[in-house]
Amino acid sequence: DTEVTQTPKHLVMGMTNKKSLKCEQHMGHRAMYWYKQKAKKPPELMFVYSYEKLSINESVPSRFSPECPNSSLLNLHLHALQPEDSALYLCASSQDSSTLAKNIQYFGAGTRLSVL
Amino acid sequence: QKEVEQNSGPLSVPEGAIASLNCTYSDRGSQSFFWYRQYSGKSPELIMSIYSNGDKEDGRFTAQLNKASQYVSLLIRDSQPSDSATYLCAVNLGYSGYSTLTFGKGTMLLVSP
Repeated sequence: DTEVTQTPKHLVMGMTNKKSLKCEQHMGHRAMYWYKQKAKKPPELMFVYSYEKLSINESVPSRFSPECPNSSLLNLHLHALQPEDSALYLCASSQDSSTLAKNIQYFGAGTRLSVL
Repeated sequence: QKEVEQNSGPLSVPEGAIASLNCTYSDRGSQSFFWYRQYSGKSPELIMSIYSNGDKEDGRFTAQLNKASQYVSLLIRDSQPSDSATYLCAVNLGYSGYSTLTFGKGTMLLVSP
């Protein structure tokens, strides 16, 4: 089973709203990732969590706030977003995040976010 | 700047032909290489992974890696219309001690019946 589950599949929010994206995996993976993907562009890394600790923040604006409550769950809290933040948000997980390991990242189906 | 380069395409091939997708990368320290397939509006799906020089075959797919030339390719034999998608090359780079994926911009493949 290589399933990463993301909810919701679609989200429409206003610029003053607060919402959260959820990602869950039960593969025992200890690294989880958030990516942002705009149309016709490759995924761009936002955050990396390793063993429930934030390891990498790719200079993401503070209106995006990640959270890793446990090893299976990853959230992305959204607040005061801008229309340009509309994109497909992808969660991925891998066995761990060590440099030399043959890590394979498995992606969830994504949440398509529209900011009005 | 660590980069992964792909021809954006579209690469058009007739059904039953061999599709050849290419990717170059800039970081000689790269350890792992992946090909993901992404249908429009969907998430990336892993097709192949390769870690050492040479060829790796899985069904109709063959990945080829040449670390000296910093080149990785994907061959799709007996291409089917269902193979029409964007193929993303991803390279596992070390970043502050953590492995992260850097993606190429993707090559769109169109297989005509």
